[in-house]
Order: sequence, then structure tokens, then C-alpha cells
Amino acid sequence: AQSVTQPDIHITVSEGASLELRCNYSYGATPYLFWYVQSPGQGLQLLLKYFSGDTLVQGIKGFEAEFKRSQSSFNLRKPSVHWSDAAEYFCAVAGWGNKLVFGAGTILRVKS
Amino acid sequence: DGGITQSPKYLFRKEGQNVTLSCEQNLNHDAMYWYRQDPGQGLRLIYYSQIVNDFQKGDIAEGYSVSREKKESFPLTVTSAQKNPTAFYLCASSIDGREVFNEQFFGPGTRLTVL
Repeated sequence: AQSVTQPDIHITVSEGASLELRCNYSYGATPYLFWYVQSPGQGLQLLLKYFSGDTLVQGIKGFEAEFKRSQSSFNLRKPSVHWSDAAEYFCAVAGWGNKLVFGAGTILRVKS
Repeated sequence: DGGITQSPKYLFRKEGQNVTLSCEQNLNHDAMYWYRQDPGQGLRLIYYSQIVNDFQKGDIAEGYSVSREKKESFPLTVTSAQKNPTAFYLCASSIDGREVFNEQFFGPGTRLTVL
């Protein structure tokens, strides 16, 4: 069965510093991968998605993610973090029946 | 504005009572989904519907029921059989549930607390 692992429960970075959130997936076929962001008490918003082609995917709000098949990873990056980026981030893989399987999430805190 | 609305935002119920959470979308999407979110566990799929008058169980359907009588509405009932119903519930929709690359759009959620 497909699964998603986000190894970091919490990450704290200073404003202006770079960010990398890790995501590892388990899926037998070519994965469809997503990153979502959730502000406290709110719904989720799609940041970016990968299906095929270029392994470096650009998303909204200055985020990007790189698909590495050999490492089964889809890490999210941002060169310079803003205080408004503080939120919870979810990685997801589309699995059997076109259903999304989500990781447990990584909470990002931004220090000023 | 097009979007998904969930009501109420906060809901309190006594143990043993059934409660229904509302989800409405005006995006003209065919597919709708219900997720449960607990701290540290991500989102887990309860039920989904790819078309009106049809729905399928997700990974944690026990103790829940749904209906899809109208395209724009997908209410979720949390029954007394659900052993641990206190959670944050999220509704989502996508234009076509058969195509995995279609984005799922999420509502703002309902926080249910059972006392």
C-alpha cells in the first residue's frame, strides 16, 4: 500500500533563511505527488504537484519541490522564508482509486 | 466567489448523539471528499463521492455515514457508533474524481468536540 513519511514533526527557521521540508513516499508505480499548506484552523491549499516531466516543480508563494525517484523523495524548498510561511505542510501521494494519502505533516515555525 | 463552505466552524455534542456536518460547493465539481484530521496523523479519508447518488468508503468509514443527493452537497453524519469523534473534519472537492491529477479544493473545516 502507498504511504508517505514526513520525518520532521516540527521545524524552526529564521526569517530570510532557506527551508527544506522532507517527504518520502512508498508507491509501486509512477507516483503523483502533492504538497499542501494549512494555516491554523483552516483548510488546505495546494502549493504544487508533480506527475511527470521535469523533476523540479515550481509552485505558488515561491516554493519548489524536487522529485528524486532513486531516493523516493519529494522535498519542498524555499530560498528565503517569510514570517507568513509559518503553517503546517503536508505531502501527499495519489494512490489506488485516485485517492490521496497524506503524510503526518510538518509544522513550520519562523523566528524573527 | 466559488468555493467550499462548511458549517458550523465549531460544533459541540454530547456523547451518544448523532451529528451532521454540512459541506456545500458551488464549483460545479463532480467529486467530493470527507477527511478527518487528528494532531500528528495527517488527513485520513472517511468517504468520497465521484458522482451524485454514489459514494464509496474511505479508510476510516466506521461510525460515519454520508449522502450525495445533490451535486453541490455532501453532508457527513457522525453517529454514536464512532468511538472517538472529536476531531477536525475537512471537506474537499475536485472537478473529476477519476483523474488523479485534478486538484482537490478544501473547505475551512469543522471542529467537532464531543463532551
